[in-house]
Amino acid sequence: AQSVTQLDSQVPVFEEAPVELRCNYSSSVSVYLFWYVQYPNQGLQLLLKYLSGSTLVKGINGFEAEFNKSQTSFHLRKPSVHISDTAEYFCAVSVWNQGGKLIFGQGTELSVKP
Amino acid sequence: DTAVSQTPKYLVTQMGNDKSIKCEQNLGHDTMYWYKQDSKKFLKIMFSYNNKELIINETVPNRFSPKSPDKAHLNLHINSLELGDSAVYFCASSQDPTAYEQYFGPGTRLTVT
Repeated sequence: AQSVTQLDSQVPVFEEAPVELRCNYSSSVSVYLFWYVQYPNQGLQLLLKYLSGSTLVKGINGFEAEFNKSQTSFHLRKPSVHISDTAEYFCAVSVWNQGGKLIFGQGTELSVKP
Repeated sequence: DTAVSQTPKYLVTQMGNDKSIKCEQNLGHDTMYWYKQDSKKFLKIMFSYNNKELIINETVPNRFSPKSPDKAHLNLHINSLELGDSAVYFCASSQDPTAYEQYFGPGTRLTVT
């Protein structure tokens, strides 16, 4: 079975500061990794994904994440955040033969202050 | 054009009632999903259909019954609603079960009183 742990439930940060949202996963088989963003009262939008290849993945809105197999981590980073990045961020994993099922972490609330 | 749409957006009902939530996607995808987001924002998959065939059926009370009349639609019917069913229900779709980008609808907030 797979599981995902997002290490911070809330991350407050000032505008234009860098941010890192941490995600660790547990799995006995290879997984695919995702970060989704949920703006208030909206559905989820895919930020980026790691399927294979380069461990540094770039996504939309200036976000990037690095897959670290030895540490089973997939942390999300942005060098300079904007007020508009305030949202809930979800890390998720899936396994190739499980019908596309996404297993989500608990979410991290990013709050960007002016 | 909305890619994945859900109706209704809000649903308030009393315990014991039966209700349905509808989902439609216009992306031409083969696979659709239902997820439940609880009050702590935790998301968990409930069901998945591929080409109208059920492929994922997580541990969900049998009061919940999905129905896929065609590839573009996946509805969720809930019988005998309970307080604990209050949540936001999200529909999603993907090209196929091995495609790893899922497109989510805006959600249906169900409140059971």
